[in-house]
Amino acid sequence: RKEVEQDPGPFNVPEGATVAFNCTYSNSASQSFFWYRQDCRKEPKLLMSVYSSGNEDGRFTAQLNRASQYISLLIRDSKLSDSATYLCAPTPMDSSYKLIFGSGTRLLVRP
Amino acid sequence: NAGVTQTPKFQVLKTGQSMTLQCAQDMNHEYMSWYRQDPGMGLRLIHYSVGAGITDQGEVPNGYNVSRSTTEDFPLRLLSAAPSQTSVYFCASSPGQGRLGDGYTFGSGTRLTVV
Repeated sequence: RKEVEQDPGPFNVPEGATVAFNCTYSNSASQSFFWYRQDCRKEPKLLMSVYSSGNEDGRFTAQLNRASQYISLLIRDSKLSDSATYLCAPTPMDSSYKLIFGSGTRLLVRP
Repeated sequence: NAGVTQTPKFQVLKTGQSMTLQCAQDMNHEYMSWYRQDPGMGLRLIHYSVGAGITDQGEVPNGYNVSRSTTEDFPLRLLSAAPSQTSVYFCASSPGQGRLGDGYTFGSGTRLTVV
């Protein structure tokens, strides 16, 4: 099993919709995660860090489900500018600080 | 602060040529990494470093060498370029263990084509 798995999508939603996608992880000891956003032909940028209590930033909410070993990202009131690929990565558990990413979920928000 | 700077932005190589992709950060970050990104494959870790003088292999290290002689610089060397190394290469840096929540900051990438 891959360390981190994501549904590649694309998720095609109308503007204003609520959309959610998950990221599953294999290391049950993982305690925190990152969600990154990557626009086409650009570098990834940190969207938010996710801890056991989850995280909310405006229209974006991330939650951790330890029992089922996945993290979710919920986007409310989708904007055209939310169209991007969303990458997740568990925070490294050891001193190597190797950050291993999932392959990303592509979101397309249409007018 | 410039953040993470990668040069060149674009490069075309012939099979068998060698070259060095440059990466520099001015944030005094301890940790640095190199990733490659191919269509549909996501980011794959090539090599990483947890401090000056310390490097280790990631998921796909074959065909690449790195060194970390200073905190600021982390060059990636392609020893003998192959078409399979055509990709977008990203360098990234992080403050380190004391600031886990900061994640990694990425450079803008180098688009490499090997013909």
